Amino acid sequence: AQKITQTQPGMFVQEKEAVTLDCTYDTSDQSYGLFWYKQPSSGEMIFLIYQGSYDEQNATEGRYSLNFQKARKSANLVISASQLGDSAMYFCAMREVGTGGFKTIFGAGTRLFVKA
Amino acid sequence: GAVVSQHPSWVICKSGTSVKIECRSLDFQATTMFWYRQFPKQSLMLMATSNEGSKATYEQGVEKDKFLINHASLTLSTLTVTSAHPEDSSFYICSASLLAGALGYFGPGTRLLVL
Repeated sequence: AQKITQTQPGMFVQEKEAVTLDCTYDTSDQSYGLFWYKQPSSGEMIFLIYQGSYDEQNATEGRYSLNFQKARKSANLVISASQLGDSAMYFCAMREVGTGGFKTIFGAGTRLFVKA
Repeated sequence: GAVVSQHPSWVICKSGTSVKIECRSLDFQATTMFWYRQFPKQSLMLMATSNEGSKATYEQGVEKDKFLINHASLTLSTLTVTSAHPEDSSFYICSASLLAGALGYFGPGTRLLVL
């Protein structure tokens, strides 16, 4: 069963506007962590933002914020004031406890295109 | 943030040969390292988790005899693709964590092309 679901294969946003990238997750753990990563065409994985399951406040990091709705099991990424350099793949990920200890699994990703 | 390196950044090899990929944590000691594989236009798929000094834990469907992982020190983990075939061509990326459950820092990845 898919544990991280990103339903938007691709998204377009006008430069300087805000965009929301959706992410829902499935877990029976009480303690877990949610991440968003950016992957430009170079392939490197750039950490953007983290939300712990017990954090009551939504995480924010500069232009990135995470809209965490625990009851709905969603962790959407909001990028404000989009820039051309934001064009990339974005992955939602969840850290959970597996047989080998903690591990992080990724959603399918959303490709964001920022238009000038 | 912490720095993780991978070597080589890309490699082309003939079918049947073995390829070793190194993952190093440069400014911290990584108790846990993760190996992922990413096919074009797809997500990262976790292959295995390695803890320093112990055997790696492989994800279901990943052949442990084909993808040998060694985590001999707190700063180095290696992934060896044995008897590589064209279907093993992929982007391999490692992630290193200081502590179990802590944020993982990714290496820049290794692109493998098997001819």
